[in-house]
Amino acid sequence: GNSVTQMEGPVTLSEEAFLTINCTYTATGYPSLFWYVQYPGEGLQLLLKATKADDKGSNKGFEATYRKETTSFHLEKGSVQVSDSAVYFCALNAAQGVYSSASKIIFGSGTRLSIRP
Amino acid sequence: DSGVTQTPKHLITATGQRVTLRCSPRSGDLSVYWYQQSLDQGLQFLIQYYNGEERAKGNILERFSAQQFPDLHSELNLSSLELGDSALYFCASSVAYVSGLNTGELFFGEGSRLTVL
Repeated sequence: GNSVTQMEGPVTLSEEAFLTINCTYTATGYPSLFWYVQYPGEGLQLLLKATKADDKGSNKGFEATYRKETTSFHLEKGSVQVSDSAVYFCALNAAQGVYSSASKIIFGSGTRLSIRP
Repeated sequence: DSGVTQTPKHLITATGQRVTLRCSPRSGDLSVYWYQQSLDQGLQFLIQYYNGEERAKGNILERFSAQQFPDLHSELNLSSLELGDSALYFCASSVAYVSGLNTGELFFGEGSRLTVL
């Protein structure tokens, strides 16, 4: 079946450090891939996405590249800030066909990131 | 503000009881999703509706049911509640299609926190 595996947290870094959060997936077909972020007390919000192999999603200094050969979608940021402290979720869209109205957005277990000033 | 409204924000009830959680999607979004977030299970996909019809089903218990009404709001009914049902329940909505393609991009509400005592 479809699944997402991401590195376990918590991850604690100092401000301006380089960030990598690993994400690998298992899926049939060619799913779209996403990173969502959840700030304390809030719902999830989309951070970035990629819809096909070799696509790079980017937003707010974060990047992730859709690697079909390694079934991965690792999240990276060159210099983290205290305001990046949140829980990050990798997800895939196991849609029932790209023109279908049916979707199963499957999430990983989340990685809690804490940034020290 | 994602535009997705969930009520109530907090709910405390006893085992064996029944509760209803309500979700109003973003204006124009036809698709509604329900997720359960608990500490040990992460974010679990429960069910998806599109324009009033069930489209995809995840790990939803038989004690749980949902529906989407003609005005597109949705309700999640949880019955015969058990201690293990204590969790944060998220609703998310999406437009479902952009240029005929299933985008898989979700907009989340702030969640309803259910505590079963």
